[in-house]
Amino acid sequence: DIQMTQSPSSLSASVGDRVTITCRASQYIGTYLNWYQQKPGKAPDLLIYTASNLHIGVSSRFSGGGSETDFTLTISGLQPEDFATYYCQQSYSPPYTFGQGTNLEI
Amino acid sequence: QLQLQESGPGLVKSSETLSLTCTVSGDSISSSSYYWGWIRQPPGKGLEWIGSIYYRGSTYHNPSLKNRVTISVDTSKNQFFLKLSSVTAADTAIYYCARLTGIAARRGIIDFWGQGTRVTVSS
Repeated sequence: DIQMTQSPSSLSASVGDRVTITCRASQYIGTYLNWYQQKPGKAPDLLIYTASNLHIGVSSRFSGGGSETDFTLTISGLQPEDFATYYCQQSYSPPYTFGQGTNLEI
Repeated sequence: QLQLQESGPGLVKSSETLSLTCTVSGDSISSSSYYWGWIRQPPGKGLEWIGSIYYRGSTYHNPSLKNRVTISVDTSKNQFFLKLSSVTAADTAIYYCARLTGIAARRGIIDFWGQGTRVTVSS
């Protein structure tokens, strides 16, 4: 299986800040990397697919980048609704594994 | 409007079989554009890919579940199903059904999730 490692595991920030979360794959995955946001008690929501493509309806505050094994999710101008847990996921080779999550706190 | 709704027992006894149904509304499960899948999340932990199915019946399941998984589909009812046999406390989780999209055979992007159903395995 492809192992996905996110850093940091938790992150404290303030409204208006710019934050970056990184995700590293244990082997080459091209740009088959997706990002999800999960709020407490809710199912995750797709934010970005194939590394840098914004899902329909997602704010342009979110951006993604990277390729091969190293990827980033950047949130610019943090809003109160952005405080949540973020997961990366590879869709290159099944099982389509997830990172362990990054908890973004105020 | 697309909706995915999980249903099934919230409590399953250890060593028995967990059975869940996902009912899809607002889209056809027979669409060639999508796969359909199951993901789970143990309490307070991260996400685990269980497996997926195409409407024609081809399936994939996570080898880590040691062949305990069966995923099937009923296109006439617009439903797909999960069975997980020989459950233990480690299978206690929120189980999500989901719609999967992507390119060619790489249909691993989860673009729509059900709300999830909590399943507890009791001894």
